[in-house]
Amino acid sequence: EPEVTQTPSHQVTQMGQEVILRCVPISNHLYFYWYRQILGQKVEFLVSFYNNEISEKSEIFDDQFSVERPDGSNFTLKIRSTKLEDSAMYFCASSDGRGPTTVTVKQETQYFGPGTRLLVL
Amino acid sequence: GNSVTQMEGPVTLSEEAFLTINCTYTATGYPSLFWYVQYPGEGLQLLLKATKADDKGSNKGFEATYRKETTSFHLEKGSVQVSDSAVYFCALRIGGADGLTFGKGTHLIIQP
Repeated sequence: EPEVTQTPSHQVTQMGQEVILRCVPISNHLYFYWYRQILGQKVEFLVSFYNNEISEKSEIFDDQFSVERPDGSNFTLKIRSTKLEDSAMYFCASSDGRGPTTVTVKQETQYFGPGTRLLVL
Repeated sequence: GNSVTQMEGPVTLSEEAFLTINCTYTATGYPSLFWYVQYPGEGLQLLLKATKADDKGSNKGFEATYRKETTSFHLEKGSVQVSDSAVYFCALRIGGADGLTFGKGTHLIIQP
């Protein structure tokens, strides 16, 4: 069964450094997402990406963050100048994105990867 | 705003016990409701969903009914197994929005 993969599984970085989290969505999916979960808190939506541009972003997704689809298979989340409070589990997800209408596209199931645990020291 | 509240864990049950994990929501529109499950070392997997009031989602012996009058989507299973041990997340999605709004997750532990 196709699945979303994420690398690395764990990342430790120093405050102020840049990190890039990588995701390989399900191969024929067109809609991609990033979520994060700070320890003990809720899973929070960060951003969605469709047709090579950001579709929607939350208040969390500020100028510190960026996303990119650098090639036909990878989807990345870059965090510039990391802060202690960026420590969290980051989940990538993808959905089909080829529904006949915008409504049906937005009702499609999102398939999640196993996550990257980021620790900022 | 939109929010999901689910019971805090861990919830510990014996094998073959009846399971209920409560989930209530607040939404500015008419949401679709979901239960996701996360097994150790894996990503969140969709367990079941319901898109309108009184719909019942079901999968793998789990059920949840969309109750608009009580704004709830409680997860139930009649007889749990050790393999059901996982973290369960209740979530909603407002039509037209991309992002899911999740609850904090409930860690379920089933003892043999």
